[in-house]
Amino acid sequence: NAGVTQTPKFQVLKTGQSMTLQCAQDMNHNSMYWYRQDPGMGLRLIYYSASEGTTDKGEVPNGYNVSRLNKREFSLRLESAAPSQTSVYFCASSELGTGAPAFFGQGTRLTVV
Amino acid sequence: AQTVTQSQPEMSVQEAETVTLSCTYDTSENNYYLFWYKQPPSRQMILVIRQEAYKQQNATENRFSVNFQKAAKSFSLKISDSQLGDTAMYFCAFMKHEFGMRFGAGTRLTVKP
Repeated sequence: NAGVTQTPKFQVLKTGQSMTLQCAQDMNHNSMYWYRQDPGMGLRLIYYSASEGTTDKGEVPNGYNVSRLNKREFSLRLESAAPSQTSVYFCASSELGTGAPAFFGQGTRLTVV
Repeated sequence: AQTVTQSQPEMSVQEAETVTLSCTYDTSENNYYLFWYKQPPSRQMILVIRQEAYKQQNATENRFSVNFQKAAKSFSLKISDSQLGDTAMYFCAFMKHEFGMRFGAGTRLTVKP
């Protein structure tokens, strides 16, 4: 009964380092999302994948890349981390188009120093 | 662009009283879905209520109800008989297949004993 699982939960990076945030869902959802949450700005959509094999930019895609590895997994990569990417990152999944709500992972707190 | 606006950064209410959180959105679409999510200090995102745009009847879930005004593009959340456990951030969200799921900046609600 895992739902949406994100790893890691916490990470500290130095400016310029790269890393990949992993996300997996076991609900057989077609659609997956990556958000970042910053104080006073709510959740902003970075990228989403409406279905396996497709990815689309959201509101704040610059500095990020994504891979929809299969139906279950959707990863977010920071190629060269910057302090402005310090944030809490959430992965979510849903059946987009059906009106079903999105289910969220527990979040990853990323600090770039 | 599909934008969601929550104009009340913070609100407070006395325990057992009623409070209404505001949300407006901007879209030219006719069919879409709207949600309210709650985020307690644990950071977990919890679905509160959902509304299909093609339904005129306002959604209700126990103490939570919405006032959906499609022409005005307004989707407010009413919490009746407020409880201490309702203290959290509340996010309004818009969902449409082509755009993914977009959130407002959130309203921090404090329920006072």
